[in-house]
Amino acid sequence: IVLTQSPGTLSLSPGERATLSCRASQSVSNGFLAWYQQKPGQAPRLLIYGASSRATGIPDRFSGSGSGTDFTLTISRLEPEDFAVYYCQHYGRLVTFGQGTRLEIK
Amino acid sequence: QITLKESGPTVVKPTQTLTLTCTFSGFSLSTSGLGVGWIRQPPGKALEWLALIYWNDDKRYSPSLNNRLTITKDTSKNQVVLTMTNMDPVDTATYYCAHRPIAGQNWFDPWGQGTLVTVSS
Repeated sequence: IVLTQSPGTLSLSPGERATLSCRASQSVSNGFLAWYQQKPGQAPRLLIYGASSRATGIPDRFSGSGSGTDFTLTISRLEPEDFAVYYCQHYGRLVTFGQGTRLEIK
Repeated sequence: QITLKESGPTVVKPTQTLTLTCTFSGFSLSTSGLGVGWIRQPPGKALEWLALIYWNDDKRYSPSLNNRLTITKDTSKNQVVLTMTNMDPVDTATYYCAHRPIAGQNWFDPWGQGTLVTVSS
């Protein structure tokens, strides 16, 4: 499965709503889709698994949705610390990552 | 608390074999359902999954790198080792190991801090 994330870069201001897309080349079974956040110089951090389940300690402004081939990560109100790169990941028998969306301050 | 840390050479020469060790604490790879994965990231580029090893010694490899990778575990030492043969400058990347916490679901949490490996003569 190939994952395509859009947009490549998203420019928004703190307080705004962010919508990030991840499209799969074929249907993702069982909602096996995760989202990660990566800040410069840091390892990725798990945000969402199972398409919509928040990982431990993740604020509720982060939400995941979608099924089949189209998935979305939504950040309801951007905080300054949310500006980072976001990756989606499919996890079937094998694992693939999308190419990432950079969320930058406008 | 689960922690993982990668170790290995920072520089390898082209054609050499890279050996990386992931040393972890807070869990045991003898526990049913658990696993450890390796993921890499070239500078400024996206994440690329490499390999996974499970508690029962089952293994998975990236199809594009399958013939170059070997993943093993030493449960008594809480370590997972990844070897990659025939290294090339395009293999320059930060290499991460990560904990796979739930049986049947290959997402990763948490990750190690990563180790940068440069391939250069």
